[in-house]
Amino acid sequence: GENVEQHPSTLSVQEGDSAVIKCTYSDSASNYFPWYKQELGKGPQLIIDIRSNVGEKKDQRIAVTLNKTAKHFSLHITETQPEDSAVYFCAASERGSTLGRLYFGRGTQLTVWP
Amino acid sequence: DAGITQSPRHKVTETGTPVTLRCHQTENHRYMYWYRQDPGHGLRLIHYSYGVKDTDKGEVSDGYSVSRSKTEDFLLTLESATSSQTSVYFCAIMAGGTNTGELFFGEGSRLTVL
Repeated sequence: GENVEQHPSTLSVQEGDSAVIKCTYSDSASNYFPWYKQELGKGPQLIIDIRSNVGEKKDQRIAVTLNKTAKHFSLHITETQPEDSAVYFCAASERGSTLGRLYFGRGTQLTVWP
Repeated sequence: DAGITQSPRHKVTETGTPVTLRCHQTENHRYMYWYRQDPGHGLRLIHYSYGVKDTDKGEVSDGYSVSRSKTEDFLLTLESATSSQTSVYFCAIMAGGTNTGELFFGEGSRLTVL
């Protein structure tokens, strides 16, 4: 099956700075890459995703980039705010087969200091 | 909110006892999933369902069984709970039509096996 590696496991930034979380995947057939944010005591929430026919996608302060050749993708958060503090998970799947099974990275605890 | 309700939200039980967790959805989604979340492991798929009475195993299915007799309910059963099954369990549904890959999670059920 797919293997997703995520780094770093913890990340601390000052409010207003940028944060970058990186993931690599092993299965070249993977073509769907979502990012989830999980706040304490809650379920993961989908915040942005990218499909393999695009290289970058933005939504306000967050962006995701994908390099299919190198099999890695990254989450970029600009102008960080204390409410961005949470655990972030990347995932990969082969959309169109395996019934939407997602393989997750181990998570990054992001702390934004005021 | 994808209309997912998990019950119970918290449970403490003893080794060897059976436990059933329930996931209820109100929006008639075809695909449903059970994940477990453990520190350092991210989220791992236990079982999933692609329709009434249609289920299959995920990557960590040993010790678990599932049933789906109605579209809206997906049950996860631990026949004889063990301490290694202490975890937070998340139910998810796939939204947006057939196999889009977009999973939405419930709020989780925290299970402690003593």
